[in-house]
This record gives sequence, structure tokens and C-alpha cells, in this order.
Amino acid sequence: DIVMTQSPDSLAVSLGERATINCKSSQSVLYSSNNKNYLAWYQQKPGQPPKLLIYWASTRESGVPDRFSGSGSGTDFTLTISSLQAEDVAVYYCQQYYSTPLFTFGPGTKVDIK
Amino acid sequence: QVQLVQSGAEVKKPGASVKVSCKASGYTFTSYDINWVRQATGQGLEWMGWMNPNSGNTGYAQKFQGRVTMTRNTSISTAYMELSSLRSEDTAVYYCARRVVGADYWGQGTLVTVSS
Repeated sequence: DIVMTQSPDSLAVSLGERATINCKSSQSVLYSSNNKNYLAWYQQKPGQPPKLLIYWASTRESGVPDRFSGSGSGTDFTLTISSLQAEDVAVYYCQQYYSTPLFTFGPGTKVDIK
Repeated sequence: QVQLVQSGAEVKKPGASVKVSCKASGYTFTSYDINWVRQATGQGLEWMGWMNPNSGNTGYAQKFQGRVTMTRNTSISTAYMELSSLRSEDTAVYYCARRVVGADYWGQGTLVTVSS
């Protein structure tokens, strides 16, 4: 099974500042035949289902503000919020969908306002 | 608009089974996989498995093998997740979600409480 880890567990960032969340997979999620990284990022606010932000590691879902960006390849990935807004307070999860049928999630990173 | 509407909260006794439904609308039900994910209170997201509504093919996380069954009724665009031999640790919110390549639409969640 692919194990996903995230760091940090939580972070507090001032409004307008950059927030960076790291995600690491225990094995590569890069599929060589199509050169795609099978990794997604989600945002979850209390009492709500998760919301898809990024898939294929760096493709922003329609309607997601461009302050959210994803990068990385292979085993190491990053979600960046370029200018934190109050509405971005949430828990963020990465997920690999490379290894069927267990598409594991990371443990989550909580983002707060400093 | 795309919607996934799940059935209501359930309270079950240990050892019982629960069947959660997920009714899709606003798109062609057979065109996208349906995933099931659960979340215990205050905990992270846990992947349970997926189902292809067109073929009925499924893939289950090993942890749930033998206890979970994912099915569908294409005539009413509804997916189902049945979990058997319930124990207290199965108390959680269960979500259905559309598409494996980044789950883009999610149901509202169904709280399943297992208690004697």
C-alpha cells in the first residue's frame, strides 16, 4: 500500500501571506506511460464534505481560485496558497489515486490564521 | 447541476449491517466512477473503495474486503454501499463522491452510528 504523509500537521499564516503544505508518498505516483502524477489535493471545512482543489498534481479544478497551486512529481508534492484569505481556513488533504483500489489520503494539514 | 444526495443518518447495533444510498443527478450516472470515503469524528479521510456504475466493477480497500459491498441501480442513478458486521469503530460519516481522477462532486455525507 502507498502511504501518504503530510507536513506540517498544522500551520498558522498571516492574511495575505503564503502557505505551503507538503505531501510525500511512500512510492512514486508518476505513471510513466502518460507522464502524469496521480495525486489530488482537497480542502475540507468543518461540517462540509471535501472540495477538490487540484488533480494530476498541478491541474486546478474549475472554479478554484488561482492562489491555489500544486507542484511536484514522483513522491514529493506541494500545495501552495499564495496569499492566504480568511476563507482558506480549513484542513487540506493530499490523495494518491495511482494504486488501485486503495487510493490513500494523507493525514491532513490544518491551516489557520496567525 | 451535478448533485449526489445520500440517504439519512442511521443508528445500528454492533454486528448489524447498514446500506447507504447515493442518488446522482445532473449528469450521466454511468459515465463516472463512484467512490466511497468515510470520516470518523475529528479524524481524517479514509478511502473505502470504488465502483464503475456502467460495468458494476468494484475495487475495495483490503481493510474492508469481505465486509463491504458496492452496488448500483442504473435505472434510478443510485449507488449503494453496504457495510456488514458493524462495530463501534465503524461510527463515521460516509461520503460518496464522483470520479476517481480527483473526486469533483461529493454527497452531503451520511452519519452511521454503531452503538449497543
